[in-house]
Amino acid sequence: SAVISQKPSRDICQRGTSLTIQCQVDSQVTMMFWYRQQPGQSLTLIATANQGSEATYESGFVIDKFPISRPNLTFSTLTVSNMSPEDSSIYLCSVGTGGGYLSGANVLTFGAGSRLTVL
Amino acid sequence: AQTVTQSQPEMSVQEAETVTLSCTYDTSESDYYLFWYKQPPSRQMILVIRQEAYKQQNATENRFSVNFQKAAKSFSLKISDSQLGDAAMYFCALQNFGNEKLTFGTGTRLTIIP
Repeated sequence: SAVISQKPSRDICQRGTSLTIQCQVDSQVTMMFWYRQQPGQSLTLIATANQGSEATYESGFVIDKFPISRPNLTFSTLTVSNMSPEDSSIYLCSVGTGGGYLSGANVLTFGAGSRLTVL
Repeated sequence: AQTVTQSQPEMSVQEAETVTLSCTYDTSESDYYLFWYKQPPSRQMILVIRQEAYKQQNATENRFSVNFQKAAKSFSLKISDSQLGDAAMYFCALQNFGNEKLTFGTGTRLTIIP
């Protein structure tokens, strides 16, 4: 399966600032996914990042708040803009790796996540 | 819209015993896949097991097995011979055929008692 590196691992940010999270994959992938995990909560999909086109955002998430770049097939960034304490979460990058002939399922591999704390 | 429900926020089990985590889901799709992921304190999401909805046979992976009841839209995870390393948050997730997106449940925190 793919190996995903996320940076930063954690950060403490001031209210009103923006932070960019990087996601690097060791193989080329078509789609990359960005999830948010608020404290003690489940994972919620923010958007799907496609190479060569604009990201597709889920309901409740907008490009102005979470701009995404996807310059190539192995890299993506997620920016959390104009942060408030409510943005304190773990942000996870994920890619589909396919299940091979044994399964049609597209197994998602996740990065270790970026824990953001907004003061 | 599809939903995944995990009704047990927390579970505990004695080491070496068996525990079952519950998951129900709702989808209008006929072809889909179901997953269990674990998230230890390291935050890394780790795939535990997956099930194809078109398969009647329940998936097994070593000490982990599922009880998939398609008509009831139920997908429980059984962990046999529980080990200390099994302590984690466990998330049930649903994926529609042809779509890589996952919809997650709210998770069950599993504690292993030595």
